[in-house]
Amino acid sequence: AQKITQTQPGMFVQEKEAVTLDCTYDTSDQSYGLFWYKQPSSGEMIFLIYQGSYDEQNATEGRYSLNFQKARKSANLVISASQLGDSAMYFCAMRGGLSTGNQFYFGTGTSLTVIP
Amino acid sequence: DGGITQSPKYLFRKEGQNVTLSCEQNLNHDAMYWYRQDPGQGLRLIYYSQIVNDFQKGDIAEGYSVSREKKESFPLTVTSAQKNPTAFYLCASSMGSGAHNDEQYFGPGTRLTVT
Repeated sequence: AQKITQTQPGMFVQEKEAVTLDCTYDTSDQSYGLFWYKQPSSGEMIFLIYQGSYDEQNATEGRYSLNFQKARKSANLVISASQLGDSAMYFCAMRGGLSTGNQFYFGTGTSLTVIP
Repeated sequence: DGGITQSPKYLFRKEGQNVTLSCEQNLNHDAMYWYRQDPGQGLRLIYYSQIVNDFQKGDIAEGYSVSREKKESFPLTVTSAQKNPTAFYLCASSMGSGAHNDEQYFGPGTRLTVT
């Protein structure tokens, strides 16, 4: 069974500091994709970053990077130089392989608050 | 601008009434999805469609129905059989290539309240 676990319901970070949001996953598929989405209070889901299971390099997108440790089945999101606008819910998601019909699975999310 | 529209943003209904949530996309995507989000929880898949005139049940399809008569549209009907319909509903689409980097694009969501 596919499962995404985010163990931090809420996190606080000082403005301009870096923060790591944890995500672990469980899958029997050999090939899969990992995603992070941001959900501001408006509700819309905004795509942040993607990591493929066979990618050797950790993904980076501007201030976002993904710390991918395949053996540990973890895909932590690192936000550098936090800004007030980063305050939002963050969801880790996985797209499974053929065994799951390529469905997406989401974690329960982490609420990030950036403190001025 | 290409994107996904959901209307209305807020919807109020009386218990026992069916209600249909609209979802339209102009991204030329083959795949479309409906999710339900409850407070403190992640997204749960209701239905998805990988091609016109075809759709599959997700993890929580009971009490919901969908249709996919056009590529651009994937309306969701919340029926009176749904025991607890009050929630935030998100529609998404993707190219449907099956590739693992085929990200989902989301609409702004509809917040349904049933009293």
